[in-house]
Amino acid sequence: GAVVSQHPSWVICKSGTSVKIECRSLDFQATTMFWYRQFPKQSLMLMATSNEGSKATYEQGVEKDKFLINHASLTLSTLTVTSAHPEDSSFYICSARDSTSGDHYEQYFGPGTRLTVT
Amino acid sequence: GQNIDQPTEMTATEGAIVQINCTYQTSGFNGLFWYQQHAGEAPTFLSYNVLDGLEEKGRFSSFLSRSKGYSYLLLKELQMKDSASYLCAVMDSNYQLIWGAGTKLIIKP
Repeated sequence: GAVVSQHPSWVICKSGTSVKIECRSLDFQATTMFWYRQFPKQSLMLMATSNEGSKATYEQGVEKDKFLINHASLTLSTLTVTSAHPEDSSFYICSARDSTSGDHYEQYFGPGTRLTVT
Repeated sequence: GQNIDQPTEMTATEGAIVQINCTYQTSGFNGLFWYQQHAGEAPTFLSYNVLDGLEEKGRFSSFLSRSKGYSYLLLKELQMKDSASYLCAVMDSNYQLIWGAGTKLIIKP
């Protein structure tokens, strides 16, 4: 089956620093990847849709200058949390859609990255 | 606006059957998904319904009624490992997933 990896799986950083999270589709090409954030006991919140070779589309209320997304290849998208603050501490999950599949439906999720900002 | 409603929490007994309901109002419809999410982990795909009716997959079944904007996930022969959150999500006309808040299912021995 389709596998998506994320790195790192968890990270602790100091307030004011930047953190980069990688999302890779290991055995398929993903034209589109999605970045979600999930706070404790809450559902997934879509942050942005990342399209290979073009700018990401951010959801309302998500600061694009704070959450930098780069989707430079068909298998890699990165999310950089710039000048992180404690309120950015969350579980960040990426998902990818197989661009070669005729089905529009399934998104394959990475294992998530737990970010703690101290 | 777009809205997905599902109960916040449910409790059931090991070996029993539980039904988790989901109602939705979205701009367009390209299918409804159920995902399972254990604490601290990413969601895993359970089912996809795009046509009305019941889809059965082992102990899990999912039902859809598009006219009623309604779906349910049925879990049979409950096991302790089924304790998790169950997320209902609808794919809208832009093929974007709209997520419900999730139902936390607690299984008691």
